[in-house]
Amino acid sequence: SQKIEQNSEALNIQEGKTATLTCNYTNYSPAYLQWYRQDPGRGPVFLLLIRENEKEKRKERLKVTFDTTLKQSLFHITASQPADSATYLCARANYGGSQGNLIFGKGTKLSVKP
Amino acid sequence: EPEVTQTPSHQVTQMGQEVILRCVPISNHLYFYWYRQILGQKVEFLVSFYNNEISEKSEIFDDQFSVERPDGSNFTLKIRSTKLEDSAMYFCASSGGGAEAYNEQFFGPGTRLTVL
Repeated sequence: SQKIEQNSEALNIQEGKTATLTCNYTNYSPAYLQWYRQDPGRGPVFLLLIRENEKEKRKERLKVTFDTTLKQSLFHITASQPADSATYLCARANYGGSQGNLIFGKGTKLSVKP
Repeated sequence: EPEVTQTPSHQVTQMGQEVILRCVPISNHLYFYWYRQILGQKVEFLVSFYNNEISEKSEIFDDQFSVERPDGSNFTLKIRSTKLEDSAMYFCASSGGGAEAYNEQFFGPGTRLTVL
């Protein structure tokens, strides 16, 4: 079966540092990976999508990489702020599925201390 | 900015009762989804809906579940006879489709279902 694994349940960093979150997948390489932010009691909010033929994608302070050899995506937040504290979810489309039904990882809870 | 809305925000029901969770997707979107998240666990896919029919469903989406788009705006999830283990946050999502089916999905705020 296809899996998405986010091995770190929690990450604590100091304000101003770069946060790096890891997402690993098994079996078939997904056509793309998505990253979402989820605040407590709220729905996921889309952040970035990276396709398998893209090595890197950036959006403001966010950067995502996709390494099909390692079967891994890294999500970076540079110059982190306390407002970045949230749970970050990695998601892949279900291989062979239609219309991008997403399989989510458990998420990594990021805490940025002032 | 357009957003997905869901009602109610919290639903409490007795085991065995039927519940209907309601969603209004973003108006020009073509694909609609339901996900659930049991407290402390991952977001899980339930069902996707396109062109007025189910396009895919997960193992969780058994005969107790059904979805409907009764008019041009609402998208509903019905659980016919709720069980304790149905207690979870239910998220509706929609996506635009367009030239690429794998677009970002816009999630609603969720309905917290508590089955007693």
